[in-house]
Amino acid sequence: SAVISQKPSRDICQRGTSLTIQCQVDSQVTMMFWYRQQPGQSLTLIATANQGSEATYESGFVIDKFPISRPNLTFSTLTVSNMSPEDSSIYLCSFRQGPLDTGELFFGEGSRLTVL
Amino acid sequence: GENVEQHPSTLSVQEGDSAVIKCTYSDSASNYFPWYKQELGKGPQLIIDIRSNVGEKKDQRIAVTLNKTAKHFSLHITETQPEDSAVYFCAANVYNQGGKLIFGQGTELSVKP
Repeated sequence: SAVISQKPSRDICQRGTSLTIQCQVDSQVTMMFWYRQQPGQSLTLIATANQGSEATYESGFVIDKFPISRPNLTFSTLTVSNMSPEDSSIYLCSFRQGPLDTGELFFGEGSRLTVL
Repeated sequence: GENVEQHPSTLSVQEGDSAVIKCTYSDSASNYFPWYKQELGKGPQLIIDIRSNVGEKKDQRIAVTLNKTAKHFSLHITETQPEDSAVYFCAANVYNQGGKLIFGQGTELSVKP
C-alpha cells in the first residue's frame, strides 16, 4: 500500500493562531480524508478532499475554521484557524485505496496539536 | 444516519486468552466493516476488514464475524500477546457517500503477561 506522511507530528500553539498540517502520499489517490481525534475519543470525519474541487465538510465543521487544500493527487493540507484550547486534538489524514465505498482506508501517524 | 456502538470500552485479559470486541451498526445499507488498532502516539492501523458478502474472515490470530441480519460484527483475537495491547476501533461505511466511515468509540485492550 502507499505510504502516507504528515507534518508536523506535534505542535504546541497559542490561542488565536492558525496552523497548517501537511499530508503527503507517495502515490496518486483520488480521495483524501481529514479526521479529528479528541483526547481519549474516537475518530470524527472533518471533511473529504478531492483534487480540483472544494472539500466537502461534515456537520459541525466549516471551511472558515478548517480550510483544506488539495492541489494535486498526492498532497493535501488542513489548516486549523483561530485556535482555542478546544481544538487540542490529533488530526489525521487518510486515503482510500480500492473501490470507492469498500476500499481500504489508510491513516497517517497524525498531528498532535496542543493549544494553550 | 449511520451509528456505530462498540463494547466493551476497556478489556483486560491474561496473555494467551482470547479477546472479543463487539460492534453494532444502524444502517442496513452499510457493506464494509474495518477494524483498526491504534497504539499510543500512532495513527490507526487497519488490521482486518470484512465486506457484507461474507460472514467471517480470518487472518492468523485475528478473525472478524459479521451478522447482517442482526447488524453486528465482532473482532476475535486468539492467543493474545502483550503486543496486542492497544485501542481497537471498529467502523462501518456510509453506503454511497464516497467512502465515509463511522467509527465506534474504541476498546482499550490490555493483555497482562
